[in-house]
Amino acid sequence: EPEVTQTPSHQVTQMGQEVILRCVPISNHLYFYWYRQILGQKVEFLVSFYNNEISEKSEIFDDQFSVERPDGSNFTLKIRSTKLEDSAMYFCASSPPDRAQTQYFGPGTRLLVL
Amino acid sequence: QKEVEQNSGPLSVPEGAIASLNCTYSDRVSQSFFWYRQYSGKSPELIMSIYSNGDKEDGRFTAQLNKASQYVSLLIRDSQPSDSATYLCAPANDYKLSFGAGTTVTVRA
Repeated sequence: EPEVTQTPSHQVTQMGQEVILRCVPISNHLYFYWYRQILGQKVEFLVSFYNNEISEKSEIFDDQFSVERPDGSNFTLKIRSTKLEDSAMYFCASSPPDRAQTQYFGPGTRLLVL
Repeated sequence: QKEVEQNSGPLSVPEGAIASLNCTYSDRVSQSFFWYRQYSGKSPELIMSIYSNGDKEDGRFTAQLNKASQYVSLLIRDSQPSDSATYLCAPANDYKLSFGAGTTVTVRA
C-alpha cells in the first residue's frame, strides 16, 4: 500500500540555522499538508498546498516558514532561521483528488533546535 | 473555548470490552470528521471517517456523528492490547484538520 515518506527521520540543528524537511506524498494525491506536534501537545495544522500554491495556512506559519514542490514527487518545508520553540515532530500528509479532506500522514521528522 | 475537546483519559478497559471515546467540536462549519490512532512516538494513523449524521461501522470500530450537538464518538468493540494508543478526533474545515488533544486508551490483558 502506498505511503507518505519523510526525510530525515531526525534532525538536530543550531538556533538560527535553516532546515529543509522533505516529504514524498502518495503518488496520485494532489493535496499536501504540513502539521507539527510539540512533545506532549496536540497535532497542529501549519499549511495546506494545492496546485502549486498555498490553500490555507495557520498563524504558526509565519514568514520564517515556506513550502515548495520542487518537482513532481517532493514536497518540502523550509524553516529559515530556526528557534528553540520550533523543536517538534513535523508531519507531512497528503490526500487524494476525490477525498481532499482524507489525509494520510507520513512518519514524521523529529526536529531538535539547540 | 477549545476547538476540539476530548477526555484525556487514560481510559482503561479489559481485553474484549468496549472502549467508548467522545469528542465535541466548536466549529459548526466542519464538514467531515476523522478518527486517528497515534502510538507513542509515531504519526497519526487514519482509522475512521464519517461525514453524515448517524452511525458508521468498519470492523471493530463504530463512529457516531451528531452535527446538531457538535458531537462525534468512537466505539472500539472487542478491545485488544494492540488498541492501546491515543485516539485523536479531527474535524475538517476545508483542507484543515483541527485535532483534539486525544484520549489515551489502555487495554488490560
